[in-house]
Formats: sequence, C-alpha cells, structure tokens
Amino acid sequence: DQQVKQNSPSLSVQEGRISILNCDYTNSMFDYFLWYKKYPAEGPTFLISISSIKDKNEDGRFTVFLNKSAKHLSLHIVPSQPGDSAVYFCAATGGSQGNLIFGKGTKLSVKP
Amino acid sequence: DAGITQSPRHKVTETGTPVTLRCHQTENHRYMYWYRQDPGHGLRLIHYSYGVKDTDKGEVSDGYSVSRSKTEDFLLTLESATSSQTSVYFCAISRGNEKLFFGSGTQLSVL
Repeated sequence: DQQVKQNSPSLSVQEGRISILNCDYTNSMFDYFLWYKKYPAEGPTFLISISSIKDKNEDGRFTVFLNKSAKHLSLHIVPSQPGDSAVYFCAATGGSQGNLIFGKGTKLSVKP
Repeated sequence: DAGITQSPRHKVTETGTPVTLRCHQTENHRYMYWYRQDPGHGLRLIHYSYGVKDTDKGEVSDGYSVSRSKTEDFLLTLESATSSQTSVYFCAISRGNEKLFFGSGTQLSVL
C-alpha cells in the first residue's frame, strides 16, 4: 500500500503564476518531509523540507505547507519559471535513518 | 556535486547475465543507498548500507544483492538479470541527517 501519494501525474502552469503540487501520506509515524526535483537524465536534487513540528517552511520562491491532521503537504512555487519544469517527488521519513519513502512524482510544465 | 560517481552510466545486457553497478563516494559517509526509478512507481529503495559490511534490505530487494567492502564503494549486483530489472538506478548518500544526495544514475536495459 502506498504510504506517500502524489495523485496528480502532471501539472501545467503559465510562467509567472503559482504552481501547487500536492502530496498525501498515510503513515502517522512520518515526522520529516522533503521535496526533490528531477530533470531528465539527472539524479534527484533536494529542494526543500519540513519537520512535523512546523506547518510552513519557506525558501525563496518555494514554500512547503504541512497539514498534519489531514496528512497532507503541498509545495508552492511562486512565481513559476520555465526552468522549474521537472518532475517533483514528495518524500517522507520517520524512524529509520534516511529511509525515505517517495511518491510517484508530478511532472510540472511551466509554459512561457 | 554530492561527490557521488555511478558507473557505468548506461548498460545494455541480456536476460540471465550477471550485472554489477558501482557507486563511489568521496566524502566518507556511513550511509549509502540504492534506489530504482520506474515510470508510475517513483523511487523505490532496493538496499542500503550503514557501514562497511553492514547492509539491509529495502522495499524491492528481490533479485538484488549488495556489498560494501570499503566505505567509499557500494556495489549493486543483479545475479541473473531479468527484463523487469530494466530501470534507472540511483545511488544516494546521507550526510548524517534525513536528506539524501543522489548520483546521476545508471540506465540499465535488460533485453
């Protein structure tokens, strides 16, 4: 059973607008959440993370929101740029060192 | 650059042949991981290592074995490759916290 779910395989957004990528999880033991960005033919790169003791973390154009009661997190990108076009993976962990559980990913396309 | 080198970057092999993928790190970190990425499945953990000769299974370990004889090298072996093991394989390291840093990947095709 999927513990981390990204229900939207793809998202298309106009340049300059907001991109919102969503992620749901089922395991209440998860206490740390991460977003990774992946370009074709490259490895995933860390983007932003949030601990379960917080409900928001911001880094430049990227903000992650965590709603623990709903077991839901979202990544906001404002403003979106064409260079943001990539696959975004949500990941979660809790307990074992570094054993991240990944969602299936959402492919973001930002159109000029 | 996370100081991780994966080799080879691309490999084509035949069903039933053994294949070994190599991950080399330059940073002397204790934890290393092998993931595979497949369309519709995201990234799934195959095996991980928490020190020399210390390894454990991940979510999709069947058909794979690993070895870590030196801190800097983590090998992934497919003893008898199958078409279902066609995938992109990523090695990752942990720098002591929850964040993982990934290599550039190995594209493996099993025909």
